[in-house]
Amino acid sequence: DAKTTQPTSMDCAEGRAANLPCNHSTISGNEYVYWYRQIHSQGPQYIIHGLKNNETNEMASLIITEDRKSSTLILPHATLRDTAVYYCIVRIDSNYQLIWGAGTKLIIKP
Amino acid sequence: DSGVTQTPKHLITATGQRVTLRCSPRSGDLSVYWYQQSLDQGLQFLIQYYNGEERAKGNILERFSAQQFPDLHSELNLSSLELGDSALYFCASSREQGLRNTIYFGEGSWLTVV
Repeated sequence: DAKTTQPTSMDCAEGRAANLPCNHSTISGNEYVYWYRQIHSQGPQYIIHGLKNNETNEMASLIITEDRKSSTLILPHATLRDTAVYYCIVRIDSNYQLIWGAGTKLIIKP
Repeated sequence: DSGVTQTPKHLITATGQRVTLRCSPRSGDLSVYWYQQSLDQGLQFLIQYYNGEERAKGNILERFSAQQFPDLHSELNLSSLELGDSALYFCASSREQGLRNTIYFGEGSWLTVV
């Protein structure tokens, strides 16, 4: 079972920052939070991951709360090509697998 | 481009038939994963191999099997196909199998069973 809760869908204006929230209140101490996105029926694309510190790369920033029970993915300047389903995933410890939920459908509007 | 290569990209076959999907992991990656995604559904983990050995099993049917070869490429064999097996099948790979090793996905193989 997925260990994360995300909004079903979100809209964001092109050029603005898209902030995608995720709740993972049952996360264990050594489990990582991963973010992937899937543009219609393409292969999931890795975005970023983190354990407890905030992370930033060329695609996005990941803000993890101090208690690690939630996180936010930030796309700083959303473009139309960022329209996709975004998955917040807690990678479980027992066999290192990714447990996928339903994700958030992010629509970037012109 | 993730570096994970899957063939074929599209496949149409009849019920009762058998197909083989092939995956070449990223260069240097030892771990290979197979996932199934049915229409408008989430990804379901099927099976994982690490350096030729099976390491984890998910919701894989008995009609399905997989293996990873010495050159690290992997094949997923689907037999006695049913209409419900129509789906996107993704292969993914990672360098190792620990929690910090990012998993990268291929573009998938579309299987249509008619």
